[in-house]
Amino acid sequence: QVQLQESGPGLVKPSETLSLTCAVSGYSISSGYYWGWIRQPPGKGLEWIGSIYDSGSTYYNPSLKSRVTISVDTSKNQFSLKLSSVTAADTAVYHCARNNILTGYPLYFDYWGQGTLVTVSS
Amino acid sequence: DIVMTQSPDSLAVSLGERATINCKSSQSVLYNSNNKNYLAWYQQKPGQPPKLLIYWASTRESGVPDRFSGSGSGTDFTLTISSLQAEDVAVYYCQQYYSTLALTFGGGTKVEIK
Repeated sequence: QVQLQESGPGLVKPSETLSLTCAVSGYSISSGYYWGWIRQPPGKGLEWIGSIYDSGSTYYNPSLKSRVTISVDTSKNQFSLKLSSVTAADTAVYHCARNNILTGYPLYFDYWGQGTLVTVSS
Repeated sequence: DIVMTQSPDSLAVSLGERATINCKSSQSVLYNSNNKNYLAWYQQKPGQPPKLLIYWASTRESGVPDRFSGSGSGTDFTLTISSLQAEDVAVYYCQQYYSTLALTFGGGTKVEIK
């Protein structure tokens, strides 16, 4: 059974960089899927942040692209998110998830982490 | 970006009755070369992550009860719960994956018991 678990600071100061890691268990991150980050502001809907393949190939949401870096560490079976220059608008529950794949492109999300709340505040 | 618009924002349905949720995309998510609609549906209960219900617009994920069904093509899609159960109270989201430039979700529809 594929399991994903997010970890990282729950409080980040404005203008700083948000850093989260998603540890994957029950499945090798090198086995040919995309792995993504999705966020959800409290009481609101879902926003895709970006996805990464085990080779390091990435797709980012254009609205966040200038501030986002997603990386993968196959040796630790985990992938990470960095979001720079955060503001209060970046306060959200951040989920990691597995993207199913077809012909090399990320599709729907079939396994999700529980999510971690990150608050941006001084 | 492809904008996904769900309706209604919320609905209240009696136990055992049908619930219907609509999702409209700003452009077609039907890929002509394989005749597949690049659309998924998720269920999210309070305090839980979203759960995949339907993909390719009408294919149920393994383990999802058959009272959940998806239909539609092109730009208009529907998620139907044929006989609402208490455990179906949740927010439901559609997602398009036609455009990998930006995977986008609908705004969500909250389903409650009348």
